[in-house]
Amino acid sequence: AQKVTQAQTEISVVEKEDVTLDCVYETRDTTYYLFWYKQPPSGELVFLIRRNSFDEQNEISGRYSWNFQKSTSSFNFTITASQVVDSAVYFCALGLGYQTGANNLFFGTGTRLTVIP
Amino acid sequence: GAGVSQSPSNKVTEKGKDVELRCDPISGHTALYWYRQSLGQGLEFLIYFQGNSAPDKSGLPSDRFSAERTGGSVSTLTIQRTQQEDSAVYLCASSLEKVSGRASYEQYFGPGTRLTVT
Repeated sequence: AQKVTQAQTEISVVEKEDVTLDCVYETRDTTYYLFWYKQPPSGELVFLIRRNSFDEQNEISGRYSWNFQKSTSSFNFTITASQVVDSAVYFCALGLGYQTGANNLFFGTGTRLTVIP
Repeated sequence: GAGVSQSPSNKVTEKGKDVELRCDPISGHTALYWYRQSLGQGLEFLIYFQGNSAPDKSGLPSDRFSAERTGGSVSTLTIQRTQQEDSAVYLCASSLEKVSGRASYEQYFGPGTRLTVT
């Protein structure tokens, strides 16, 4: 069975603090994809990153960085020097079916991040 | 370019009535998905269309839910005899099916339709 767990329901930080959002996934597939999406108050999900299971290289994009560790089935997301505009609900998702072609994503329940000015 | 659009943005209906939700995917995207997001919850997969293949309906919660995709573009999600537990935000997403020989899974989401069943 596939499952994505985001244990942190809500996090509040003061502006300019760093914050890490945790994501743990479960799958028996050997090839899969991991995603992070941002859902701001406006409601529209915004794609942030996709990571392939065969590529464990960490990635940095501006203030955002992602740490993928297959050994612990985790794909954590860190925001450095947080800003008020980072306030949103962040979803981690798992995509399977590289071989089978199935494309639906399994989402975690999300982490609501509030950045306090 | 234009993103995924959905209509209506809000829909209030009485219990027992049928509703239709519309999704216009990004032009050129061959894969289309419907998800449901209940209050405070993650997204729940409903149905997936891929090109001309038979849709993957494995996520539909009951036979009151159905969806079709006409001409490989616009999709309509229909909920018959709505129940209060159907109240949620219904999100549509689209993606390219293949990029450079590999499956591409970046799904681009629309703004959603907030359905309230009274």
